[in-house]
Amino acid sequence: EAGVTQFPSHSVIEKGQTVTLRCDPISGHDNLYWYRRVMGKEIKFLLHFVKESKQDESGMPNNRFLAERTGGTYSTLKVQPAELEDSGVYFCASSRDAGQLGTGELFFGEGSRLTVL
Amino acid sequence: KNQVEQSPQSLIILEGKNCTLQCNYTVSPFSNLRWYKQDTGRGPVSLTIMTFSENTKSNGRYTATLDADTKQSSLHITASQLSDSASYICVVRAIGQNFVFGPGTRLSVLP
Repeated sequence: EAGVTQFPSHSVIEKGQTVTLRCDPISGHDNLYWYRRVMGKEIKFLLHFVKESKQDESGMPNNRFLAERTGGTYSTLKVQPAELEDSGVYFCASSRDAGQLGTGELFFGEGSRLTVL
Repeated sequence: KNQVEQSPQSLIILEGKNCTLQCNYTVSPFSNLRWYKQDTGRGPVSLTIMTFSENTKSNGRYTATLDADTKQSSLHITASQLSDSASYICVVRAIGQNFVFGPGTRLSVLP
């Protein structure tokens, strides 16, 4: 069974440009999460999809970030326009279970490293 | 505010030795606590998941403990190997909320 895959693994862009990150969750996982780790800080939640619906997007930093999950399969996270503080590693994770207790296994991708110059 | 703290920030041990990593949390109402291992440049990989009723769980040489009363957890690594060098992240979930990540403990195992 394929794991969570993310693309690109590393992206270097200039301030003001646009970048789109993609995540393919494990097949059959309705729940898809985006997280971000900024240099020296802990991993922080960005948003949570259940199928194609945004369950919780309280972690999205501002309206320069747009996440979509058309058809409830893969997801994209677009940053437009990128700023210096957006640099970091963006992780995607998926799981089957995300009920109130949320005890299901959470599987992470390898991350997409974004560097904004 | 829901927070997860970990100690030490970093740790260096010799191959074959044991070590214990600590996690304190203020996440409430508590649902479950997880320990993840993250190798450099890779995504986190789950080691253990514990719910309120569990106070010990093992995964090979890794043993996690949970004290829900004091809101503390530990991860004990036995007979460390070079491949254990990684960051170990404590993650706590509150009921109906999202996961809260600790800053991690960076472990280096030297030959």
